[in-house]
Amino acid sequence: AQSVTQLDSQVPVFEEAPVELRCNYSSSVSVYLFWYVQYPNQGLQLLLKYLSGSTLVKGINGFEAEFNKSQTSFHLRKPSVHISDTAEYFCAVSELGYAGGTSYGKLTFGQGTILTVHP
Amino acid sequence: SAVISQKPSRDICQRGTSLTIQCQVDSQVTMMFWYRQQPGQSLTLIATANQGSEATYESGFVIDKFPISRPNLTFSTLTVSNMSPEDSSIYLCSVGEFQYFGPGTRLLVL
Repeated sequence: AQSVTQLDSQVPVFEEAPVELRCNYSSSVSVYLFWYVQYPNQGLQLLLKYLSGSTLVKGINGFEAEFNKSQTSFHLRKPSVHISDTAEYFCAVSELGYAGGTSYGKLTFGQGTILTVHP
Repeated sequence: SAVISQKPSRDICQRGTSLTIQCQVDSQVTMMFWYRQQPGQSLTLIATANQGSEATYESGFVIDKFPISRPNLTFSTLTVSNMSPEDSSIYLCSVGEFQYFGPGTRLLVL
């Protein structure tokens, strides 16, 4: 079974400061890795994903994440945050499967990290 | 990317009643997933819905409480049956290999 641990439940930072949101996972097989953002009273939006290839993944809104297989981590980073980045961020892992010729994965989510950017 | 819509976007229901949530996708997809996000919590997978077969439920979720239909490759429904206040959550459907999510249905049970 797979699991995801987000090491920080809340991360307060000042505007224009760098931020790192930490995520560790465990799985016995190859996985896909995702970061999602949820703004207040809204649904989930995919920030970025790691499927294969380069371990440094760039996403939307200036975010990036690095897959580290040996440390089973997928930390999310942004060099300079804005007030508008205030939201809850979820790390998720999906084990690979196939059905009807289509690959898919059930997502297991971490508990979420609330990022609060202060002026 | 897939465009996913859900109806209703929110509802307030009385305990003991049932609510059916609809999920519509703008393209054909093999797999659809239903998730629950309880207040202040992360998302938990309820079930996987494959067109033409019965849904596969995760541990802790049963068909009698959360019946699911998947009549075609672009549509699915989730019913929350015999509701109690503990069912107050956001219910989200998602599709595809990269797990695109609908906007969610915010349910409050009184």
